[in-house]
Amino acid sequence: GQNIDQPTEMTATEGAIVQINCTYQTSGFNGLFWYQQHAGEAPTFLSYNVLDGLEEKGRFSSFLSRSKGYSYLLLKELQMKDSASYLCAASNDYKLSFGAGTTVTVRA
Amino acid sequence: KAGVTQTPRYLIKTRGQQVTLSCSPISGHRSVSWYQQTPGQGLQFLFEYFSETQRNKGNFPGRFSGRQFSNSRSEMNVSTLELGDSALYLCASSPDTSGYGYTFGSGTRLTVV
Repeated sequence: GQNIDQPTEMTATEGAIVQINCTYQTSGFNGLFWYQQHAGEAPTFLSYNVLDGLEEKGRFSSFLSRSKGYSYLLLKELQMKDSASYLCAASNDYKLSFGAGTTVTVRA
Repeated sequence: KAGVTQTPRYLIKTRGQQVTLSCSPISGHRSVSWYQQTPGQGLQFLFEYFSETQRNKGNFPGRFSGRQFSNSRSEMNVSTLELGDSALYLCASSPDTSGYGYTFGSGTRLTVV
């Protein structure tokens, strides 16, 4: 089976940095997705890591270590609009297995 | 380029009825996947289709079924609806099996009363 773990909640101040960790255990692992989901909306794609290392896209960066079954999403220069749920998902066997999501609250 | 289109956006059904949801993938995408999202269980995989073939199925009862047409459009059907089937049903499409370009639609919010 699959086991995807991420923290339930995180709070940070506007302009700060927050790192959301995700650990996974899954057979036939292909890659690791991060999605952002605002309440009542569909998940929107943030990143997809297949190889080990850090990938940076503007204020968002994602890291993957396949040997450790570990990933993190780094959100820099936090803005109020970044308040949302962040979902970690492992890809295997033509499907995504999601973690429960991390609710990030950005405070002024 | 149009995104993944799901219809209808909202649906209210009575226990025991059946429902069919539709998903039109991004043009050129051949893989379509379905997920159920509830507050208690999060996002759960239902099934995946590629070129009209179901390649994987999640742990849902047989009341949940799906299919894909030759134009890659997909439908999922839930028969004998139960209150617990109330959820957001999300469809995602991707060009191939690599995972790149995996995009979700806006979802269908199903309420069973």
